[in-house]
Amino acid sequence: DQQVKQNSPSLSVQEGRISILNCDYTNSMFDYFLWYKKYPAEGPTFLISISSIKDKNEDGRFTVFLNKSAKHLSLHIVPSQPGDSAVYFCAAVDRGSTLGRLYFGRGTQLTVWP
Amino acid sequence: EAQVTQNPRYLITVTGKKLTVTCSQNMNHEYMSWYRQDPGLGLRQIYYSMNVEVTDKGDVPEGYKVSRKEKRNFPLILESPSPNQTSLYFCASSFGGRAKDTQYFGPGTRLTVL
Repeated sequence: DQQVKQNSPSLSVQEGRISILNCDYTNSMFDYFLWYKKYPAEGPTFLISISSIKDKNEDGRFTVFLNKSAKHLSLHIVPSQPGDSAVYFCAAVDRGSTLGRLYFGRGTQLTVWP
Repeated sequence: EAQVTQNPRYLITVTGKKLTVTCSQNMNHEYMSWYRQDPGLGLRQIYYSMNVEVTDKGDVPEGYKVSRKEKRNFPLILESPSPNQTSLYFCASSFGGRAKDTQYFGPGTRLTVL
């Protein structure tokens, strides 16, 4: 059963506009969330993270919002650039586990067109 | 250069022929993990290791073995590969011994089992 869900397999945005990637989770024991970005033929790279004690974390053009009551987080990219075109994975860590398990969503393919 | 290396990068094999995919990191990281990526399923954790001689199962450990005899290496062993293990495999490592710490991924190993 998928505990981290990215329901949009793809998103297409024009350069300069905002990209919003969504992620939902079902496990209330998740207390830390991460976003990884993946280009074709490369391994994923870390993008940004957020702890459950916060509701927002910002790093340059990237902001992650966490709504614990809705078990929902979103990644905002402003402004979007063609180089942001990649697959974005949402991931979560369970505080009730051995802290080694990482649960990934299925990913969202972002395409930023000029 | 700090990196995670995987070998081989590409492998075609036949059902039942034992194989090992090596993973090595030169960053003195405590945590290492294996993932597989399949279309429509995203990244799924196979095994992880929070330190030498400490390994544990992820989401999809069936059909795989790992060992962590030294800090830098974390090989993935398929004792009797089957076609459903055809996938793209990623090794990752992080400094802290936890899944929440930023993980650095290798370039991937594309495995085809005929």
